[in-house]
Amino acid sequence: DSGVTQTPKHLITATGQRVTLRCSPRSGDLSVYWYQQSLDQGLQFLIQYYNGEERAKGNILERFSAQQFPDLHSELNLSSLELGDSALYFCASSVDRGTGNEKLFFGSGTQLSVL
Amino acid sequence: EDKVVQSPLSLVVHEGDTVTLNCSYEVTNFRSLLWYKQEKKAPTFLFMLTSSGIEKKSGRLSSILDKKELFSILNITATQTGDSAVYLCAVDHFQETSGSRLTFGEGTQLTVNP
Repeated sequence: DSGVTQTPKHLITATGQRVTLRCSPRSGDLSVYWYQQSLDQGLQFLIQYYNGEERAKGNILERFSAQQFPDLHSELNLSSLELGDSALYFCASSVDRGTGNEKLFFGSGTQLSVL
Repeated sequence: EDKVVQSPLSLVVHEGDTVTLNCSYEVTNFRSLLWYKQEKKAPTFLFMLTSSGIEKKSGRLSSILDKKELFSILNITATQTGDSAVYLCAVDHFQETSGSRLTFGEGTQLTVNP
C-alpha cells in the first residue's frame, strides 16, 4: 500500500457526461500529480499541484481541470467526456522538496470507461 | 521534444531466465532516472539512479545508468512468475517553465512462464 488513496476505483459513464476523480496523497506529501494511462500509450503526465497551487501542466485537455484543496487532497474533473477519454487515471504524490529526484508514490488508479 | 524509449515492448521468457530491459532517453536538464514495476494497477517504485556507472541492486533486480550514452538497463536474474509485470522507466528532468517533470516510457511487458 503506497499510502495514496484514489476513489472511485471504477467509473462507467456515457459520452458528454462529467466526472470527478478524487485523490488523497500520502501523509506529509505536498505535491500531487495526475497521470492518464491508455491502452496504446504509456503514462501521460496531466498536471501537478504543489501545496494548493498548480506547478506544472502536461498534456491536459481543456475539458479537464484539477485542483488541490487546503487539506492537500486533489480532484480531477473531466467534462464533455468522449470515448477516447476511457483510460486508467493515476494520482501520485511526493514530498517535493523542489530539488528534483523525487520518488512518486502512486495510487491504485481510477478506471474510467466512457460508453 | 523530451522522450523516453523502452525496449523491448514485450518479452516472454521461462522461469529461471535472465532478462535485460532497456531504457534510452533524450531530455533537457536530466536529474534522475527511475524504474517502476506495474502489476495489476499502481506502479511501485524499484530504483532511482542519478550517477553513471553505479549499480543499484535489490535481490535479483539490478540497474545501472549511463549518462554519457543516455540509457539505463534493468536486469532481472533467475526470473520467477511473480516478476511478470510491466516495467516502466521514467526520467526526472527540469523545465524552466514548468519545473521538475517525470516523463515515462511506454513500458516493457514481461511475461515469465513456468
